[in-house]
Amino acid sequence: KNEVEQSPQNLTAQEGEFITINCSYSVGISALHWLQQHPGGGIVSLFMLSSGKKKHGRLIATINIQEKHSSLHITASHPRDSAVYICAVPPYSGGGADGLTFGKGTHLIIQP
Amino acid sequence: GAVVSQHPSWVICKSGTSVKIECRSLDFQATTMFWYRQFPKQSLMLMATSNEGSKATYEQGVEKDKFLINHASLTLSTLTVTSAHPEDSSFYICSASLQKGRPNSPLHFGNGTRLTVT
Repeated sequence: KNEVEQSPQNLTAQEGEFITINCSYSVGISALHWLQQHPGGGIVSLFMLSSGKKKHGRLIATINIQEKHSSLHITASHPRDSAVYICAVPPYSGGGADGLTFGKGTHLIIQP
Repeated sequence: GAVVSQHPSWVICKSGTSVKIECRSLDFQATTMFWYRQFPKQSLMLMATSNEGSKATYEQGVEKDKFLINHASLTLSTLTVTSAHPEDSSFYICSASLQKGRPNSPLHFGNGTRLTVT
């Protein structure tokens, strides 16, 4: 079963800094998800990617399938970016109808 | 975009009672819904996969008689925590998939339900 490791677990930065969050997984996958969880618990899907790079506003996600690694970058970070960022992958290489396996999340705080 | 509504957002109940949590897909038909649980400072853990019109598939260690799942229509799945105990206190969240058996399907999450059992 896939194991997901995220780093760092906690990150505090100043407004405007460039942020990088890393995710590694153990079993080959067809797609990886980046999620954002706010203090109230609600979860928003940020990206689903299977190769290369995706960009949405100030958020950039990259994935290297061969190295089983993905990164989430935030440019020009802002206090409203403060949240928990979670990496999620299918539990098995075949994917299928199973739910996802989640990393423990990176707790990001952006200070003004 | 697709919206998933989860209700209630929080509930406090007494030990021994049952609590029902609803997960609705508001503008799409969800053939598959997933139920997750998250304890404080922990990652989300899949509890069960709910497929419309068939029995739910439970993850190892999740008691199917305690966590009853019903997916009677393409827009509604319910999770009932029966005979709740304080250790069941947790954050429960559902997600819905438009495409059954497709791990590349976009994810749509409810806002979660915070259950406190006293």
